Amino acid sequence: GIQVEQSPPDLILQEGANSTLRCNFSDSVNNLQWFHQNPWGQLINLFYIPSGTKQNGRLSATTVATERYSLLYISSSQTTDSGVYFCVSRPAGNNRKLIWGLGTSLAVNP
Amino acid sequence: DTGVSQDPRHKITKRGQNVTFRCDPISEHNRLYWYRQTLGQGPEFLTYFQNEAQLEKSRLLSDRFSAERPKGSFSTLEIQRTEQGDSAMYLCASSGQGATTDTQYFGPGTRLTVL
Repeated sequence: GIQVEQSPPDLILQEGANSTLRCNFSDSVNNLQWFHQNPWGQLINLFYIPSGTKQNGRLSATTVATERYSLLYISSSQTTDSGVYFCVSRPAGNNRKLIWGLGTSLAVNP
Repeated sequence: DTGVSQDPRHKITKRGQNVTFRCDPISEHNRLYWYRQTLGQGPEFLTYFQNEAQLEKSRLLSDRFSAERPKGSFSTLEIQRTEQGDSAMYLCASSGQGATTDTQYFGPGTRLTVL
């Protein structure tokens, strides 16, 4: 089945720094999402981005479907950005099951 | 608040007891999903409903697990004869219909501890 690989697995930033998180997927997908899970466990949907680029405040995401990767950019990081970032995909077809990466654990220090 | 809600937020039970969790999806969403998440891992898919029909069920869902969505609105997940390995966060998500509205929105989860 499809594999979703995220890098780096862990990241420590100083407040104000920028970072790029990467997601590689092994097969064609028709659903690519980025989620943030905060330290209390709540999963927040950041982007639905099967292709192209989207921006939302300090966050932006780019998916290049033909090359099977997606990037999440965090600019001017804040301590509230801490948590785990998951890349999630769904294989092409009618399967509703999402495939989750292992996540990037981000800690932003003040 | 019109987000996904789950009840209870925390449940502590003794091994062998039955537990039931409830999920109320976003009202206009016809799709509902259950996931299980253990520490340090991403959520694992358990089952999926479209309206009241249970369309997919993971092999992770043993015979002790059952989920229902009787009227196509809220859903319940029951675990019978709980085991310590069932300790996890149980997450519910919902989504609308159509490719562009397939984004899943998650509830806060129910954290289960089996002693």
